[in-house]
Amino acid sequence: GAVVSQHPSWVICKSGTSVKIECRSLDFQATTMFWYRQFPKQSLMLMATSNEGSKATYEQGVEKDKFLINHASLTLSTLTVTSAHPEDSSFYICSATPWTGTGELFFGEGSRLTVL
Amino acid sequence: QKEVEQDPGPLSVPEGAIVSLNCTYSNSAFQYFMWYRQYSRKGPELLMYTYSSGNKEDGRFTAQVDKSSKYISLFIRDSQPSDSATYLCAIGVTGGGNKLTFGTGTQLKVEL
Repeated sequence: GAVVSQHPSWVICKSGTSVKIECRSLDFQATTMFWYRQFPKQSLMLMATSNEGSKATYEQGVEKDKFLINHASLTLSTLTVTSAHPEDSSFYICSATPWTGTGELFFGEGSRLTVL
Repeated sequence: QKEVEQDPGPLSVPEGAIVSLNCTYSNSAFQYFMWYRQYSRKGPELLMYTYSSGNKEDGRFTAQVDKSSKYISLFIRDSQPSDSATYLCAIGVTGGGNKLTFGTGTQLKVEL
């Protein structure tokens, strides 16, 4: 299967700081990547669709100025949580696929963010 | 009504049992169906993928889709403690740009 790598796997930061999470497709190119957020014992909530070379598409209710997404290359998308607050603490997961339209997504290992 | 409903569990079974995990969905436009396994504090791992009604088998896992009832199932035979995880169903539509709708996940524990 296709491999998606995420870094860092966990991060602790102070309130008001910004945190960047990287998502890489290791053995394939991905024009589209997806960013999810997951709270404990809850399902994955799609935050945004990251599009290579263009602006990300955000889901309703997700603040685009708070969650900055950059998809600068076909193998790398980044999510920056700006001015993080304790309520931003969550498990952030990215996904990507080598194929379009099939829905077969491959997920990164996730990044656990704790904002103090 | 949620687009995808899944019993969150937890579900506890003895080793060797047959496990049945289920999801129902409301949108008849959904065309492909997946099951993901997620271990604690890890990203989901794709287990099964199917786009037609009927059964699809892969080792100890069988995915079943009934489009007429809008009902999908995952069966695990000869369950093992290593199967203990959260199982998420995910459903999508062709032309949906790979966007998936996930169930809440069912937490499974297989005990020795």
